[in-house]
Amino acid sequence: SQQGEEDPQALSIQEGENATMNCSYKTSINNLQWYRQNSGRGLVHLILIRSNEREKHSGRLRVTLDTSKKSSSLLITASRAADTASYFCATDAVDDYKLSFGAGTTVTVRA
Amino acid sequence: NAGVTQTPKFQVLKTGQSMTLQCAQDMNHEYMSWYRQDPGMGLRLIHYSVGAGITDQGEVPNGYNVSRSTTEDFPLRLLSAAPSQTSVYFCASRRTSGGRETQYFGPGTRLLVL
Repeated sequence: SQQGEEDPQALSIQEGENATMNCSYKTSINNLQWYRQNSGRGLVHLILIRSNEREKHSGRLRVTLDTSKKSSSLLITASRAADTASYFCATDAVDDYKLSFGAGTTVTVRA
Repeated sequence: NAGVTQTPKFQVLKTGQSMTLQCAQDMNHEYMSWYRQDPGMGLRLIHYSVGAGITDQGEVPNGYNVSRSTTEDFPLRLLSAAPSQTSVYFCASRRTSGGRETQYFGPGTRLLVL
């Protein structure tokens, strides 16, 4: 079964608004990563947060991690049409090298 | 660096046919993996390898074989294609030491089994 589960499944926002999506996971992790996938393309790595970190920023992206609740959130601020994509969280488990992906959140940014 | 490359980009098979999806990386990554992506299912791990000569099963290995004779290549074989294997297949690689975190993905192979 998949380790991570994103919520919501889909999100539609107006350009300029913020988009927030959440990820829950089940087992102990080394780190949690977020990836973006544009329609019909491969996945692109966005940001990584380690298990001993609580918050991380990269440009307009802000990621939080709560290991006690086994959850993470990704915030995209001041969204643009180019942010329209699917976003996946992936967990890097403590006991192996596998990255496990959730089902993703599809974000649509309306102009 | 070309990164992770996959061939073919698109393939149509008839039920029962076999084929090999090719994957290569030029970053000297130890870890390579194959995922399939189906609508609403995210990415599911098929097989993975932590180095040449070492492979292991992922979440959905049935109907697929892999081998890892070199660090660079990690082909995925469909032994007898079934319509349930219609999907988009992604190959990925990453390091297993030092900065192992980022996983690099290929562009994908779209497979249609009739």
